[in-house]
Amino acid sequence: DVVMTQSPLSLPVTLGQPASISCRSSQSLVYSDGNTYLNWFQQRPGQSPRRLIYKVSNRDSGVPDRFSGSGSGTDFTLKISRVEAEDVGVYYCMQGTHWPKTFGQGTKVEIK
Amino acid sequence: EVQLVESGGGLVQPGGSLRLSCAASGFTFSSYSMNWVRQAPGKGLEWVSYISSSSSTIYYADSVKGRFTISRDNAKNSLYLQMNSLRDEDTAVYYCARDPIYGGPRSGMDVWGQGTTVTVSS
Repeated sequence: DVVMTQSPLSLPVTLGQPASISCRSSQSLVYSDGNTYLNWFQQRPGQSPRRLIYKVSNRDSGVPDRFSGSGSGTDFTLKISRVEAEDVGVYYCMQGTHWPKTFGQGTKVEIK
Repeated sequence: EVQLVESGGGLVQPGGSLRLSCAASGFTFSSYSMNWVRQAPGKGLEWVSYISSSSSTIYYADSVKGRFTISRDNAKNSLYLQMNSLRDEDTAVYYCARDPIYGGPRSGMDVWGQGTTVTVSS
């Protein structure tokens, strides 16, 4: 199985400051169709997960543009340009290139 | 409104069985592949199983293979997970989650239910 490794696992951030989460995969996530199936999810406290970004850098409808995704191959990043209070929660990367689908351990974002 | 509502969770003894259901509404259920994803208490997300729109393709995580069975009834807009030989480590919130049409099942689940809690304990 593809192992997804996130860092850091805990991220205290000051409101209005940027935040960055790294996600590394144990194998390349480039699929035979040329796409890279690396996706990001947000899980706010007490809520179900919500997809934020798919295929590395495509934001879902309704996701603020302060969220951005980047990366290639085995190395990916989720950035929040200016953290707001509603961004508190756990963020997961997930690869869909290889079966089984696998998630990172999660990064907990909290306000300092 | 697009919605997924899980049911069927509860307390079961080790070795027991449980059947989870997920009722879909607000979209053409028969056009979408579906998944079950679980989250153990205080832990991260674990993908459990996938079923294609026509039920022709099914995958399981190794941790549940041979014990869990995913199925769907497109006429009833419903997804199911039959869980047998339950273990303590199966204790989790189980989410029903839809794959998107655009990008397909590899692009991550775009709609999630609220989850149903399964507790395996004697």
